Amino acid sequence: DIVMTQSPDSLAVSLGERATINCKSSQSVLDSSNSKNYLAWYQQRPGQPPRLLIYWASTRESGVPDRFSGSGSGTDFTLTISSLQAEDVAVYYCQQYYNSRPRYTFGQGTKLEIK
Amino acid sequence: EVQLLESGGDLVQPGGSLRLSCATSGLTFSIYAMSWVRQAPGKGLEWVASIGGGDTYYAESVKGRFTISRDDSKGTSYLQLNSLRTEDTALYFCAKDQVAGNGRYDAFDIWGQGTMVTVSS
Repeated sequence: DIVMTQSPDSLAVSLGERATINCKSSQSVLDSSNSKNYLAWYQQRPGQPPRLLIYWASTRESGVPDRFSGSGSGTDFTLTISSLQAEDVAVYYCQQYYNSRPRYTFGQGTKLEIK
Repeated sequence: EVQLLESGGDLVQPGGSLRLSCATSGLTFSIYAMSWVRQAPGKGLEWVASIGGGDTYYAESVKGRFTISRDDSKGTSYLQLNSLRTEDTALYFCAKDQVAGNGRYDAFDIWGQGTMVTVSS
């Protein structure tokens, strides 16, 4: 299975500042036939189910604020929150969905707090 | 609005069984793959099983013990949990595949609130 490793495990950022979360996969999740990276980011607020933020590594889901952005390709990916808001306090997970026969795997999660 | 509602979670003894249900509304259920994802207390997300196009797939940790199924006429997905272990204790989420009919399994764009399974003697 593809192993997903996030860094850091936790992060404290001041309101209005930038937050950056990294995700590394043990093998490439880039499909060279269509140039798509099968990598998603989810936000899980306390007591809530996960919410899809980003798919194909950099495409924002409908309704997601534009302060959230995803980047990267192959094995290294980044989720950036450009200006942290109080409602962004949550745990963030990356997930790969590369395999045609699903073997979804998630990163261990990054807990984001306000400094 | 698309909604998923899980039910069936309970306290069960090791070795016992449960059947979880995921009732959906607001979508053409039959064209989407569906999955179950679990989260042990205070832990991260773990994919459990997926079903789509007549095919089923399982995480190694549950293969041979859990069975995923669906009833398209009812818009409902099921997860049968047998031979339960204490390590199966978790909140079980139902999740919908983002894209229909593209021949692959994609990210999960809609999640239910989850149903709690506790395995303890």
